[in-house]
Amino acid sequence: GAGVSQSPSNKVTEKGKDVELRCDPISGHTALYWYRQSLGQGLEFLIYFQGNSAPDKSGLPSDRFSAERTGGSVSTLTIQRTQQEDSAVYLCASSSRTGTSNTGELFFGEGSRLTVL
Amino acid sequence: AQRVTQPEKLLSVFKGAPVELKCNYSYSGSPELFWYVQYSRQRLQLLLRHISRESIKGFTADLNKGETSFHLKKPFAQEEDSAMYYCALRAGTALIFGKGTTLSVSS
Repeated sequence: GAGVSQSPSNKVTEKGKDVELRCDPISGHTALYWYRQSLGQGLEFLIYFQGNSAPDKSGLPSDRFSAERTGGSVSTLTIQRTQQEDSAVYLCASSSRTGTSNTGELFFGEGSRLTVL
Repeated sequence: AQRVTQPEKLLSVFKGAPVELKCNYSYSGSPELFWYVQYSRQRLQLLLRHISRESIKGFTADLNKGETSFHLKKPFAQEEDSAMYYCALRAGTALIFGKGTTLSVSS
């Protein structure tokens, strides 16, 4: 596709349920990022993928959060046993990589809005 | 520790007035800084990066290493500039964002 695609766009779930959020990056982009956007908290970095590996998972808030990427393309962010404080917009971004340095420009999806009741 | 601080949550100005959105950073290495913007009902997108030394939509930002700042400026604000603006710092592989400033330009 032309841009980063995320699904679902909206997800309402009950506390304690597991959720999966999907990101389809721009074709050919090897770098993929997940961020969480909460009111008053700005953009919180969660995890970074280069290809299928995740050299930086430092932002994952707890062991209930995990992410994987397969085929160097689609990524899934999984939140287990959701809590109300997990309610936020989860943004995915992808980036191309030139040589040994990243170009710096991230292309963002429209986000998945998660509401935990 | 790396950190990006945007001290203003909301900045309200009148059309035609100058605008300055503040950004300060903390980083031990050589900083690489960006401004991203999110217009209403649109995706977050890159506005400008300090390396390019460019002016986009009339906005400029100068990296001041002495003051560890990267403030975004525009001499004459337009109503279409109303949006959320995020300052970002590349720290290793991650891009660290500030909490954002909402710019509201009214006529």
